[in-house]
Amino acid sequence: AQSVTQPDIHITVSEGASLELRCNYSYGATPYLFWYVQSPGQGLQLLLKYFSGDTLVQGIKGFEAEFKRSQSSFNLRKPSVHWSDAAEYFCAVGGADYKLSFGAGTTVTVRA
Amino acid sequence: SQTIHQWPATLVQPVGSPLSLECTVEGTSNPNLYWYRQAAGRGLQLLFYSIGIDQISSEVPQNLSASRPQDRQFILSSKKLLLSDSGFYLCAARIRGISYEQYFGPGTRLTVT
Repeated sequence: AQSVTQPDIHITVSEGASLELRCNYSYGATPYLFWYVQSPGQGLQLLLKYFSGDTLVQGIKGFEAEFKRSQSSFNLRKPSVHWSDAAEYFCAVGGADYKLSFGAGTTVTVRA
Repeated sequence: SQTIHQWPATLVQPVGSPLSLECTVEGTSNPNLYWYRQAAGRGLQLLFYSIGIDQISSEVPQNLSASRPQDRQFILSSKKLLLSDSGFYLCAARIRGISYEQYFGPGTRLTVT
């Protein structure tokens, strides 16, 4: 069965500083990997996805993620955080059955 | 592009009452549809998914059921709500033939009292 671990429950970062959110997955075949963002009381918005090819993928809002097969990781990064990036971030893994497994999420707080 | 609607946005129901949450999808045909529940401080738990009309798979045995009476309509129901059914319910859709990602609706906040 597929699974995702997000080791950091909560991260606080200063506005303008860089951000990295960790994601480790477990899946027996080639995974399909996603990062979603959720503002309080809202649905999830897709930030970026990885299916194959270049292991560094670019997403919306200035986010990028790097797939590292040897480490079973798909970490999310942003070079300079804005106050509007305060939200909860979810990593997800999917496979050929079209079902996604989500991590427990990382809450990001941005301080001025 | 597809749009996913959910209603109601918020619902407060007493224990033992019935439940019906609705999800409709615009902008695509024959999507895969999903119901998730999100408890406070937790990730998303897949409850049901559907690959077509009247084709529902249950992921977690529980007090809830799902139906898909039309191609772009997905309903989550319960005959008698439990306190543990409280949570944030999200509907999602996957566009067939394009890719694996799912797109989410705005969610329904259910509080069982």
